[in-house]
Amino acid sequence: QQQVKQSPQSLIVQKGGIPIINCAYENTAFDYFPWYQQFPGKGPALLIAIRPDVSEKKEGRFTISFNKSAKQFSLHIMDSQPGDSATYFCAASGRASGSARQLTFGSGTQLTVLP
Amino acid sequence: DTEVTQTPKHLVMGMTNKKSLKCEQHMGHRAMYWYKQKAKKPPELMFVYSYEKLSINESVPSRFSPECPNSSLLNLHLHALQPEDSALYLCASSQRIGGYEQYFGPGTRLTVT
Repeated sequence: QQQVKQSPQSLIVQKGGIPIINCAYENTAFDYFPWYQQFPGKGPALLIAIRPDVSEKKEGRFTISFNKSAKQFSLHIMDSQPGDSATYFCAASGRASGSARQLTFGSGTQLTVLP
Repeated sequence: DTEVTQTPKHLVMGMTNKKSLKCEQHMGHRAMYWYKQKAKKPPELMFVYSYEKLSINESVPSRFSPECPNSSLLNLHLHALQPEDSALYLCASSQRIGGYEQYFGPGTRLTVT
């Protein structure tokens, strides 16, 4: 119920390509879906997030597509650059006990953008 | 500014040592979190503090002892750790415990020998 399934595990694209990372969830109580970008040896950085009342959100070259009925969401990176090479985690958040809100992370996707 | 700072960046300790990790944020956030991250895995929640009080303990062994001395600081005291505790320890904060955005620090890379 609490799991977020992420695919693919790894992804290699050429510079300028559009990598797509997919996530699926089961728990309909989730109401916030962030994506985090993590470089080796660094902490995860909040990249972009969406709430289930919208189907798409764009910030710069990053776009989240959200399909509420299918309980799926995905990250698209337009015009990908070698500097985008990192591990990407999707996550889902909902109310836990009381007013607490906890993140449930996907397993991560290691993206490599070739020059 | 969405900066969370952590010290030290790296820590090597023996199984009989006592050490502490420190986390600081000046965003006025009132919820702070400790996560543990093993290589190629997502972060795992350990503790949550809300308004300086421990709100969530995810069944973490007592050799990890969190402390929140004030609204800007979060410590993690370590004692009698095992080699399997070697990991990246991440601190995060959010505006409040029900807040949506969590901002992570750079982490402390801990190695237990």
